[in-house]
Amino acid sequence: EAQVTQNPRYLITVTGKKLTVTCSQNMNHEYMSWYRQDPGLGLRQIYYSMNVEVTDKGDVPEGYKVSRKEKRNFPLILESPSPNQTSLYFCASSLSGIVYDTQYFGPGTRLTVL
Amino acid sequence: DAKTTQPNSMESNEEEPVHLPCNHSTISGTDYIHWYRQLPSQGPEYVIHGLTSNVNNRMASLAIAEDRKSSTLILHRATLRDAAVYYCILPDYGGATNKLIFGTGTLLAVQP
Repeated sequence: EAQVTQNPRYLITVTGKKLTVTCSQNMNHEYMSWYRQDPGLGLRQIYYSMNVEVTDKGDVPEGYKVSRKEKRNFPLILESPSPNQTSLYFCASSLSGIVYDTQYFGPGTRLTVL
Repeated sequence: DAKTTQPNSMESNEEEPVHLPCNHSTISGTDYIHWYRQLPSQGPEYVIHGLTSNVNNRMASLAIAEDRKSSTLILHRATLRDAAVYYCILPDYGGATNKLIFGTGTLLAVQP
């Protein structure tokens, strides 16, 4: 089954403790991205990647890092999480980065930073 | 950024058609109009997209105004499973990719 998977689905952590949220897709997609969703703000893009070893900032990249060493994986790294990063995170992928490609979203990771 | 305007919420009865409106008065000639929906506790999922003419797929129909400043997503027979937030989206061309700007969408409630 074609899908985007994220782990963990739920995470409670404390300020400053480094964490990684994994994202994997099995559709051989070139484009992957991370979004965060907050009440009243919709989804905002954090980082995106056009292909292996190619990443770029989205609208809200501060406090996050990403890497794209393999085509299928696009982990989101929070080196020193803070409470304002408490949010619902979604990973997405599409075949390429062109405007009419369908994006496939993962199930989400709900992160709470105390 | 290209922007869309949607009602915050709508209600429908099961098995009746639903027309979800979207205004996008700043749309440019090459912007595709995308619709996604987000079911409770799930990630967004693609519904439909179009450029100029009306589009149909197994999930919905998309009616695009002649001047392209508005569009309507049509669910022909709403089911309880269609209760979701529906996003009308124009792509953002700030970078080189298809960054989709998700607003707050329309929360559709379906009554049995």
